[in-house]
Amino acid sequence: SQQGEEDPQALSIQEGENATMNCSYKTSINNLQWYRQNSGRGLVHLILIRSNEREKHSGRLRVTLDTSKKSSSLLITASRAADTASYFCATDRGGNMLTFGGGTRLMVKP
Amino acid sequence: EADIYQTPRYLVIGTGKKITLECSQTMGHDKMYWYQQDPGMELHLIHYSYGVNSTEKGDLSSESTVSRIRTEHFPLTLESARPSHTSQYLCACSQGDYGYTFGSGTRLTVV
Repeated sequence: SQQGEEDPQALSIQEGENATMNCSYKTSINNLQWYRQNSGRGLVHLILIRSNEREKHSGRLRVTLDTSKKSSSLLITASRAADTASYFCATDRGGNMLTFGGGTRLMVKP
Repeated sequence: EADIYQTPRYLVIGTGKKITLECSQTMGHDKMYWYQQDPGMELHLIHYSYGVNSTEKGDLSSESTVSRIRTEHFPLTLESARPSHTSQYLCACSQGDYGYTFGSGTRLTVV
């Protein structure tokens, strides 16, 4: 079964709105990472949050991690049409071996 | 510029053919990975390598094989392609416990 599961599976919002995606996992982790994938392309690393961190920011991205609930969220503020993509969380249980979830497909309408 | 490259970008081949998907990186990273991904679905690890002459099978059973003779190069070979191998194959590399850098992928169709 998947180590990471994203919720929702699909999200459609208007440009300028905020988008929130959630990720839940099952076992303890060293860190959790978020990636973006444009249709038919490879994944691009967005942000990494370590197990001893609770929140991290990068530009319009905000990631939180709650190890007690085994969950993380990715917030994209002031979304743009160019943010349309699939977003994946990935958990590192050690040795930098990542397990990916099924992704959230985000559509930002202009 | 340091990067990771996959070729070909698209490949359509007949059943039973032998194929090799190429992956090369100029980042000097020790660790390299191959993932299989059906459209819109999760990624499944099929092979990984921690360095030269090191290769391991991943979580997803695969009929493919890999080699790591040079740090920069991590090719994936299918001895006899079947329609069930139709998928996107993604190569990645990493160093330390930082994020992965992915190639653009090879979309394989076996007819």
